[in-house]
Amino acid sequence: SQKIEQNSEALNIQEGKTATLTCNYTNYSPAYLQWYRQDPGRGPVFLLLIRENEKEKRKERLKVTFDTTLKQSLFHITASQPADSATYLCALGAGNMLTFGGGTRLMVKP
Amino acid sequence: EPEVTQTPSHQVTQMGQEVILRCVPISNHLYFYWYRQILGQKVEFLVSFYNNEISEKSEIFDDQFSVERPDGSNFTLKIRSTKLEDSAMYFCASSRRDRNYEQYFGPGTRLTVT
Repeated sequence: SQKIEQNSEALNIQEGKTATLTCNYTNYSPAYLQWYRQDPGRGPVFLLLIRENEKEKRKERLKVTFDTTLKQSLFHITASQPADSATYLCALGAGNMLTFGGGTRLMVKP
Repeated sequence: EPEVTQTPSHQVTQMGQEVILRCVPISNHLYFYWYRQILGQKVEFLVSFYNNEISEKSEIFDDQFSVERPDGSNFTLKIRSTKLEDSAMYFCASSRRDRNYEQYFGPGTRLTVT
């Protein structure tokens, strides 16, 4: 069965450092992969989309890589700020249907 | 900036009752979705809707569930006979025709079935 793994343990980093979050998947061939931010009690907020034929995408302080051979995506936040503290969700897409991972909680300490 | 809105923010209902969750997608969006998130668990896809019909649905979306776009602005999810395990946060989302993979989520409706 399809499986999407994100580190369930919280990632604690110091302000100004780069946060790197990992998303691994098995038994899946997504057409695209997305990253969302979710704050407690709120809906996911779209951040970035990367397609299967793309290796890397950037948006401001965010960077995502997508390796379809390793079946892995890395999500980077550079110059992290306390306001970046949230849960980050990886989602794999086929058609318009998204399959979400469990998310990784990021805590950025001042 | 336009947002997806959902009402009510919290709905409490008794087991066996019907509930309707309401969503107003972003006005120029053409794709609509419902997801649910049981407390502490993953966000799960329920259904996608385009051109006035269901385009995809998951195994969760059984005969107890239905969706409707009754007018030009609202998008609803109906659960006919609620069960305790339907208690969850329900998120509506929408996307544009030219960027239909980028989904914009509403704030959610917390459904509590007692």
